[in-house]
Amino acid sequence: EPEVTQTPSHQVTQMGQEVILRCVPISNHLYFYWYRQILGQKVEFLVSFYNNEISEKSEIFDDQFSVERPDGSNFTLKIRSTKLEDSAMYFCASSVNLAKNIQYFGAGTRLSVL
Amino acid sequence: AQKITQTQPGMFVQEKEAVTLDCTYDTSDPSYGLFWYKQPSSGEMIFLIYQGSYDQQNATEGRYSLNFQKARKSANLVISASQLGDSAMYFCAMILGLSGTYKYIFGTGTRLKVLA
Repeated sequence: EPEVTQTPSHQVTQMGQEVILRCVPISNHLYFYWYRQILGQKVEFLVSFYNNEISEKSEIFDDQFSVERPDGSNFTLKIRSTKLEDSAMYFCASSVNLAKNIQYFGAGTRLSVL
Repeated sequence: AQKITQTQPGMFVQEKEAVTLDCTYDTSDPSYGLFWYKQPSSGEMIFLIYQGSYDQQNATEGRYSLNFQKARKSANLVISASQLGDSAMYFCAMILGLSGTYKYIFGTGTRLKVLA
């Protein structure tokens, strides 16, 4: 069964460093998303991406964040200068269309900022 | 304001019994979708079931069914014949249809523990 894959599963970084979280969405999906979940809290929307551009972003997704689809398969989230409060689980998701918009999630990348 | 509320932070159920996880939502958008996801201790988010606001029948997927009460704005998940592997965090989520948004709005989750 096709799935969304995320790498790495755990990323440890120093405050102020740049990190890139990688995702390979399901191959025939057209819509891509990033969400984050701070430990013990609810899942929060960050950004959605379609047709090589951001379609929607939340107030969390400020200038330190960026997304890119560098080739036909990868979808990345870059955090330019990490802060302690960026420590969270980051989920990538994809969906095939907006009719029901069932989003399929990856297993997540746990980001720990020290 | 659009919002999902899950009032049960934790639930216990005996193996083989049925359990209902509550979810209420708030939106003025007439077109929306409601979802339930399971998050085991390993962390991944697993899609369980979907209900559209215009669907006449309650959604069912195997042991999962969604008790959709539109007038009450509730979308409770019913798990029949609970199994030990059902122990996990369960999230209710909503997406709004007409406002052109793609994002899920999640509730705070309910942690279910199935007892042997």
